[in-house]
Amino acid sequence: QQQVKQSPQSLIVQKGGISIINCAYENTAFDYFPWYQQFPGKGPALLIAIRPDVSEKKEGRFTISFNKSAKQFSLHIMDSQPGDSATYFCAARGGGSTLGRLYFGRGTQLTVWP
Amino acid sequence: DSGVTQTPKHLITATGQRVTLRCSPRSGDLSVYWYQQSLDQGLQFLIQYYNGEERAKGNILERFSAQQFPDLHSELNLSSLELGDSALYFCASSGTSGSEQYFGPGTRLTVT
Repeated sequence: QQQVKQSPQSLIVQKGGISIINCAYENTAFDYFPWYQQFPGKGPALLIAIRPDVSEKKEGRFTISFNKSAKQFSLHIMDSQPGDSATYFCAARGGGSTLGRLYFGRGTQLTVWP
Repeated sequence: DSGVTQTPKHLITATGQRVTLRCSPRSGDLSVYWYQQSLDQGLQFLIQYYNGEERAKGNILERFSAQQFPDLHSELNLSSLELGDSALYFCASSGTSGSEQYFGPGTRLTVT
């Protein structure tokens, strides 16, 4: 059972455009929602993260929007660049007895065309 | 560079064999997590250690075991290897808050 559902599976965006990746979850005990960026042959790199008491967080060109009532969150990449081409993973951190472990979405492969 | 190191980078072995993957966390981090990444299962949590003690267990097979040593480095032992164990194995570490997890470069395991 996939605890965090991510869409789309792949995304092609033109340089300068906005990339949007969406995630949904069911477990209301999740208490921390990070996004990771992974390049081929590398480990996932923490990009930006949000807690459920905040509706939006922005860091440079990257913004997380969080809708607690809908149990959805999304990553927006403004002014997308070819160097942003990578696989993006959303995740949610378990609470209670599963505190610490991250549940990952299946990933979105982003391609930014120059 | 996340500060988390993993060795070896690549490992090729035969079915039925046993291997050990090593991880050194970022300086000062007490928690170590192991994840498996495969095409069919995605990124899956295996196990977490905190300051030498097992803290949480995920989808880890009984053939797999891990430990964290007093110097905080961790080892993941995989035994009786099967073709399906071929995957990328990542180690991550975090501080006491457990929020930000920083991943190492991974070990690519190929079982032939």
